[in-house]
Amino acid sequence: EIVLTQSPGTLSLSPGERATLSCRASQSVSSSYLAWYQQKPGQAPRLLIYGASSRATGIPDRFSGSGSGTDFTLTISRLEPEDFAVYYCQQYDSSFPLYSFGQGTKLEI
Amino acid sequence: EVQLVQSGAEVKKPGESLKISCKGSGYSFTSYWIGWVRQMPGKGLEWMGIIYPGDSDTRYSPSFQGQVTISADKSISTAYLQWSSLKASDTAMYYCARHPKYSSGFRYFDYWGQGALVTVSS
Repeated sequence: EIVLTQSPGTLSLSPGERATLSCRASQSVSSSYLAWYQQKPGQAPRLLIYGASSRATGIPDRFSGSGSGTDFTLTISRLEPEDFAVYYCQQYDSSFPLYSFGQGTKLEI
Repeated sequence: EVQLVQSGAEVKKPGESLKISCKGSGYSFTSYWIGWVRQMPGKGLEWMGIIYPGDSDTRYSPSFQGQVTISADKSISTAYLQWSSLKASDTAMYYCARHPKYSSGFRYFDYWGQGALVTVSS
């Protein structure tokens, strides 16, 4: 089973700053199988990045993803007030349980 | 416009059965997988299982295998998640989410339902 560990658990920044969120896998993950989501309170998760670095439809270009193997990063270049939320990474592996999510990083003002 | 609309909040007693639904629209329902994700109060996301409505191919997380049943009725573009005997620990928000065909080469959930809150309490 591949375990995803996100760091930091909480990130405190201000609007306009750059945010760097980390997702580390316990085993190598195919870049095609790594995604990032944003979840705001009371809302469903929203897909931000798939294939480690491809932005989903309608996602602003201040969001970018990078990485390979066991280390992946979500970067928000200049934080907007609406970016303060919880962020999850997700992976797929052909062995069960197939899909898993990281525990989340809370991005707070 | 792609939409996944889930059934409403439920309040049940332990031991009762429940079936919640997720209706897809705005796309070919039989050409995408539908996954189910649990979020317990104040906690993170847990993948439960996934179904391909085109042929009802279903896969479960070992953590949920035998605890829930995932099904789909492609004639009405609806996927289901059901329990035969609820426990208090099943109290959570449950999301359905669309997933592209595996032949796309990617694995992600691009559209999500609004969530269905299930509360199990005596």
